[in-house]
Amino acid sequence: AQSVTQPDIHITVSEGASLELRCNYSYGATPYLFWYVQSPGQGLQLLLKYFSGDTLVQGIKGFEAEFKRSQSSFNLRKPSVHWSDAAEYFCAVVIFTGGGNKLTFGTGTQLKVEL
Amino acid sequence: DAGVTQSPTHLIKTRGQHVTLRCSPISGHKSVSWYQQVLGQGPQFIFQYYEKEERGRGNFPDRFSARQFPNYSSELNVNALLLGDSALYLCASSLEVTARYSVNTEAFFGQGTRLTVV
Repeated sequence: AQSVTQPDIHITVSEGASLELRCNYSYGATPYLFWYVQSPGQGLQLLLKYFSGDTLVQGIKGFEAEFKRSQSSFNLRKPSVHWSDAAEYFCAVVIFTGGGNKLTFGTGTQLKVEL
Repeated sequence: DAGVTQSPTHLIKTRGQHVTLRCSPISGHKSVSWYQQVLGQGPQFIFQYYEKEERGRGNFPDRFSARQFPNYSSELNVNALLLGDSALYLCASSLEVTARYSVNTEAFFGQGTRLTVV
């Protein structure tokens, strides 16, 4: 079954430090992958997406992610974290089901930023 | 431009009651999807509607139902509420639904409705 795994439930980094959030997928065909961010009590905001072409994709707020087919991974990175980046991050894959589509999400990674 | 709007933002219900949640998509978007997000988990797909037709249903009991109106807004109904139905319910809209990914199928999420069942 198609799925997404985020191995890290919580991550703490110092402001200014680099960040990498891990995401592994299980999908038979070429996956369409997304990273979303969710601030407390809020909806989901799309950070970036991959659906073809260059395996290194740039997103908003200085985030980037690299698609590695050989490792079934789509890790999110940021060179220097800001305190405002503290939030929950979700990796997702879109599943096409005869006539429709749906997003399948990982369980999320809670990011804490220490000042 | 207004984004996806959901109402109400919060509500509290008693076990056994019925609840209706509402969603207005972005203007021009014809598809609405519903997701349930239990605390500490990622969102789980409930339903997708496109042009008033159901295009997908997740693994939820028949107590959950939805519909889409001619103006593309949508309602999610949950009957016989259980404590386990307490969650953030998210609505997402997209321009269309196709057999493969395109920018027109990109989902935009609302702020959600926080449902607490006591």
